[in-house]
Amino acid sequence: DTGVSQNPRHKITKRGQNVTFRCDPISEHNRLYWYRQTLGQGPEFLTYFQNEAQLEKSRLLSDRFSAERPKGSFSTLEIQRTEQGDSAMYLCASSLDRSTTNEKLFFGSGTQLSVL
Amino acid sequence: RKEVEQDPGPFNVPEGATVAFNCTYSNSASQSFFWYRQDCRKEPKLLMSVYSSGNEDGRFTAQLNRASQYISLLIRDSKLSDSATYLCVVIPYTNAGKSTFGDGTTLTVKP
Repeated sequence: DTGVSQNPRHKITKRGQNVTFRCDPISEHNRLYWYRQTLGQGPEFLTYFQNEAQLEKSRLLSDRFSAERPKGSFSTLEIQRTEQGDSAMYLCASSLDRSTTNEKLFFGSGTQLSVL
Repeated sequence: RKEVEQDPGPFNVPEGATVAFNCTYSNSASQSFFWYRQDCRKEPKLLMSVYSSGNEDGRFTAQLNRASQYISLLIRDSKLSDSATYLCVVIPYTNAGKSTFGDGTTLTVKP
C-alpha cells in the first residue's frame, strides 16, 4: 500500500495524559499536513511541513500540541496534558509540492482520539 | 464569518435527480479550488479540481465564479453511491501550505 498511513487508528486516553500519533506520507511527497476534524465540521488546519521544516502552524494549535518531521519522511503529532476538547479525528495528508499547479491532498485514514 | 461557507444540507434527492451545491469563499486572492468527497467515518478524497473555465468529469461539473466568490458542484443523474458529504476546499494563493475546508454539504440519494 503506497498511500498515507496513520497509526494508531483509535486512541482512548484519560484526561491529562500525553498521546502521540504517527503519519507516514506517500514516499515521494515532500509536504505533510495535520488536520483535526470533529463531527459535522470540515477538517481544520493544524500545521504543515515542507520536507523537515515546519512552515506554518495554526493559531488554534496551543502549546500542548507539537509536531515533528525529523528526517522529512514520517511525522509525529504529540498532545500533552490532553483535555476532553481534544477528542477528534486527527487527519494527516501529504502532497507533492508544485509551485505552479494545483495542490492535491491525499489523506490517511486518521486517528480517532477519545479523551475520557 | 468563516473563510469557506457551505450549505450543510442535508440534500435528500431521488436517484436520477440533478443536484447542485454552492460554496462561498471570503478571500478574493484565493487561487485554487477543489471539491473533496467524504464518506461516513472515512477520510476526505479528492473529487475534482475547479478551473476558471469550468470543468466536467462524467456526471460532475464544477464551476468557479470569481466575481461573486463562489464555486459550485453539479451532479447529474444521481446514484445511490453519490451519497456522501461534499467538502469545498480553497487555497488562498499559489503554493500556499494551507488548504481551507468548508464544513461540507451532505447528500443522500434515495431509491
